[in-house]
Amino acid sequence: GAVVSQHPSRVICKSGTSVKIECRSLDFQATTMFWYRQFPKQSLMLMATSNEGSKATYEQGVEKDKFLINHASLTLSTLTVTSAHPEDSSFYICSARGGEGGTYEQYFGPGTRLTVT
Amino acid sequence: GDSVTQMEGPVTLSEEAFLTINCTYTATGYPSLFWYVQYPGEGLQLLLKATKADDKGSNKGFEATYRKETTSFHLEKGSVQVSDSAVYFCALRQQGEGSEKLVFGKGTKLTVNP
Repeated sequence: GAVVSQHPSRVICKSGTSVKIECRSLDFQATTMFWYRQFPKQSLMLMATSNEGSKATYEQGVEKDKFLINHASLTLSTLTVTSAHPEDSSFYICSARGGEGGTYEQYFGPGTRLTVT
Repeated sequence: GDSVTQMEGPVTLSEEAFLTINCTYTATGYPSLFWYVQYPGEGLQLLLKATKADDKGSNKGFEATYRKETTSFHLEKGSVQVSDSAVYFCALRQQGEGSEKLVFGKGTKLTVNP
């Protein structure tokens, strides 16, 4: 149980285009989803927290107009990188928390490798 | 702010060797501490956790003890296997409902050779 998927696993796009990454909780309802960014040999950095049906809360320094997050249902959150540039190339990881009991544990997706050319 | 420092890798061991990956933290109050493991091509998985001082988390032969006096949560395993090859992340989370933010270390890549 508690499986989180991400799609796509890899994406290459041209500078100036937008890319959407999906995060799905497959066997539980996720009231809260998180988006992280991971640079090579760096730790995961939390970008934003989203609750179903409400606006995402962004961490300091993360441009909310550039990284659009939508959490429209209890099983799906999307991250859209708008007008992508090479510096946006990174590994993006989502996690989801939910279910009964409020254990607060997060279940992580396998990540999406974004390369902007 | 809160932070986690873990030993830099990569770490390469032979099968059945003893493993220690050091982790120290800086945080206010009494955070919960975690070790996550990321196998190649997969997402992070919770390996073990401890929620208060002197607690010992354990799973799959791995152990870590919450040491408040040294602000440490070192990961140990007595005899590693090839299948333990992965990246290991130490993390903390502040206590309390609604405190969901995880703060991660940089990760330590472990390779176990047969």
